[in-house]
Amino acid sequence: GEDVEQSLFLSVREGDSSVINCTYTDSSSTYLYWYKQEPGAGLQLLTYIFSNMDMKQDQRLTVLLNKKDKHLSLRIADTQTGDSAIYFCAESPSTDSWGKLQFGAGTQVVVTP
Amino acid sequence: AAGVIQSPRHLIKEKRETATLKCYPIPRHDTVYWYQQGPGQDPQFLISFYEKMQSDKGSIPDRFSAQQFSDYHSELNMSSLELGDSALYFCASSLLNQGASTENYGYTFGSGTRLTVV
Repeated sequence: GEDVEQSLFLSVREGDSSVINCTYTDSSSTYLYWYKQEPGAGLQLLTYIFSNMDMKQDQRLTVLLNKKDKHLSLRIADTQTGDSAIYFCAESPSTDSWGKLQFGAGTQVVVTP
Repeated sequence: AAGVIQSPRHLIKEKRETATLKCYPIPRHDTVYWYQQGPGQDPQFLISFYEKMQSDKGSIPDRFSAQQFSDYHSELNMSSLELGDSALYFCASSLLNQGASTENYGYTFGSGTRLTVV
């Protein structure tokens, strides 16, 4: 996606923390999402954050939102081999069409033993 | 918990044929979205429906049409198929949030239909 940018690849050792970064351009975005996609599989919603929040934590996942810089990150603590997948950042552009998601190109995360 | 159901899971069609993809949203969800994900690409929004009316339109070719029925299921009809239509087609459903809220009423994707045009 042109308006949502992510780094394409991340390699991390099992047990370490992973941080996946995303930048977006639409300052009116209401919700920002992180999806996980395993090979040949569907899109699994991992977590989301509303635009008036700075941080959200859900078990091993921590989402940080910097609205000023339009920067979103997903931290995965204690990364496991099962976390190997492509992670997509997505934004809802506006309250009028909040369901129309704009995806980033995806970050392929490879977890090594 | 019930999820978004898409059928078929896999579909192989020849060029110039037609295809119909079906999506059954999560019960009580009133909005359906269709996305197309080409090989190695991010999902691209095609079209959405709210309460059986088209609510938004993205990069959907004129050869494609879609509708939402009274039971809220949706069908994506694709005609004059081209090789470039080969992709994973996702459907998602949600309960449309009418007001400002920190609650997200479950924007959930189905497992997708993999269409291969030969």
